[in-house]
Order: sequence, then C-alpha cells, then structure tokens
Amino acid sequence: NAGVTQTPKFQVLKTGQSMTLQCAQDMNHNSMYWYRQDPGMGLRLIYYSASEGTTDKGEVPNGYNVSRLNKREFSLRLESAAPSQTSVYFCASSDSSYAGLAFFGQGTRLTVV
Amino acid sequence: GEDVEQSLFLSVREGDSSVINCTYTDSSSTYLYWYKQEPGAGLQLLTYIFSNMDMKQDQRLTVLLNKKDKHLSLRIADTQTGDSAIYFCAGSNSGYALNFGKGTSLLVTP
Repeated sequence: NAGVTQTPKFQVLKTGQSMTLQCAQDMNHNSMYWYRQDPGMGLRLIYYSASEGTTDKGEVPNGYNVSRLNKREFSLRLESAAPSQTSVYFCASSDSSYAGLAFFGQGTRLTVV
Repeated sequence: GEDVEQSLFLSVREGDSSVINCTYTDSSSTYLYWYKQEPGAGLQLLTYIFSNMDMKQDQRLTVLLNKKDKHLSLRIADTQTGDSAIYFCAGSNSGYALNFGKGTSLLVTP
C-alpha cells in the first residue's frame, strides 16, 4: 500500500528559484496537509486542505502557495526560494476533521543555497 | 495556539519501561496524540487520547492524561531496540490545527 507519496525526496535549490513539491494519497482521504520540520523543532503547519477545492493557511504560510488539484493530490509551491525555507517538508492526509489522525509521507528534504 | 513541551532525550535499557512526558498550556486541548519518527522517515501515529479520557492502553503503550496538571505521558513497556526513535506529542483544540512538541529522542541500549 502506497499511502502518502511525496516527490522528490531530496532537492537542492538556489536562492530565488522556484519549485513544486508533489503529494498524492491513495486512501480517499478528504483532508490533506503540508508541514515543515526544522532541526530540534516539532512540525509546523504551512497549509491544509479540508476537502477538495478548499485550502487554508496554517501557522507558517508566508513564501508558499498550494493547490489541491483533486482529491488525491495536494502540491506545495515555493515561488522564490530562500535559505530560511531549508527544511524537511511533510505531506499528510486524514479521513476526518481530526488533523492528528493522519498518515504522513516520507518527507522531502529541501536545501536552499 | 498552545505550547507543547517535552524533555529532549531519554535513554533506557532494553526490557525496561520508558516514560515520555509532555505538558501543554491550553486547557481546552481536546485531542492529544503521540507520534513516532524513525530516522529518515515520516511521522507515524502511535496512539491518541481525547480529553474526556484519563488513560488509554494499546498493547505495550499506555497513555496517561492529567487534565488538572495539563500533563500527558506515554509509557512503553518492555522497551526494545526497535523503539529507538523520536517521539512527538501533539495537541489540538480544533480540527485542523495541531501543535507539536519538539520531540523526545529515545535511545534503547542493549
């Protein structure tokens, strides 16, 4: 079972470059989330999508945009990458409005130089 | 939002019990979760407890919730080397906002 799949797993960007992180889930979940994890920190919510067609800001949305392409896919875009966006990014999905009852992807390790 | 605090490191011997502690500031936290993160992997939901419960047991895992002290603990019985990982506590008082602690690194030694 694939669960939540993120691509790519690793990426190095130069400051100012743009890129899109892809996430897909095969569990028919309504809700999807993007988090970032910085060293020594817990996860912080960037954006979430409660259902197909809706997106909302989380705790740290600045510098990011998201698209809920369909029920399966939720992408995160960095329009102009900055070194402060160096982090590990996790996508998650859940079948309910309880964000904690979520399945997580393996993460994308992004370095901005 | 709320602050969620955890001790950063715990070392136990294989076969002993591990107790990982967490405190939270928001008394309206309704949902509390424990996750496990192994190196290079995403988070795995281990267990959860709702605020109307004091205790939940699931095989080797026991969660205790003290609402008065806003304290949550995760006990792992008969800890194995495969339990070595980072454990995150997270709380929520609404559906979509989760507040994570910084994680407790558990090291299990033979």
